[in-house]
Amino acid sequence: GQQLNQSPQSMFIQEGEDVSMNCTSSSIFNTWLWYKQDPGEGPVLLIALYKAGELTSNGRLTAQFGITRKDSFLNISASIPSDVGIYFCAGLAQGAQKLVFGQGTRLTINP
Amino acid sequence: SQTIHQWPATLVQPVGSPLSLECTVEGTSNPNLYWYRQAAGRGLQLLFYSVGIGQISSEVPQNLSASRPQDRQFILSSKKLLLSDSGFYLCAWSVFGNTIYFGEGSWLTVV
Repeated sequence: GQQLNQSPQSMFIQEGEDVSMNCTSSSIFNTWLWYKQDPGEGPVLLIALYKAGELTSNGRLTAQFGITRKDSFLNISASIPSDVGIYFCAGLAQGAQKLVFGQGTRLTINP
Repeated sequence: SQTIHQWPATLVQPVGSPLSLECTVEGTSNPNLYWYRQAAGRGLQLLFYSVGIGQISSEVPQNLSASRPQDRQFILSSKKLLLSDSGFYLCAWSVFGNTIYFGEGSWLTVV
């Protein structure tokens, strides 16, 4: 089945630093989604991307749908303690019916 | 606006006992519904999805089953729980299948 490679698996940063994570696939995707999961809760949708090259912001978060349609990245600027959590990418491959999820990036912030 | 609710939030069950997790969606009609399992805080595994009443697709063979008795109701069940059924279970919904929204999650501990 489809696989998404999400990296890095973990990040340990200082408060105030910028964060960058990405997802890549071996096939073309029509949709890229980014979710954040807080401990003990369900993932919450942060940003949805539906067009190649699309760049979308949500506050300090910015995500882009790669031109090749095989990758996407999520940037967080000026991190704050509440950014801690697990970030998941997800995508819908061309011709597929179900989303595929990455394995997540665990973000830890040192105050 | 659409909302999703699943319950119970936490469940401790002995091995061999039955299971019933329930999920309901409000504010939309004929949604696609999903059950995911997440172990150890990482990775989302799709268990079941449904595109309509009585229509259930199983992604992996397992000790669990799902039912959709009403348009916006999705139930995850087991007749006899195993230790390996422990985990965090997430219900989710979508309209077109390319963007899904998760419930709050249910923690199941089988002892």
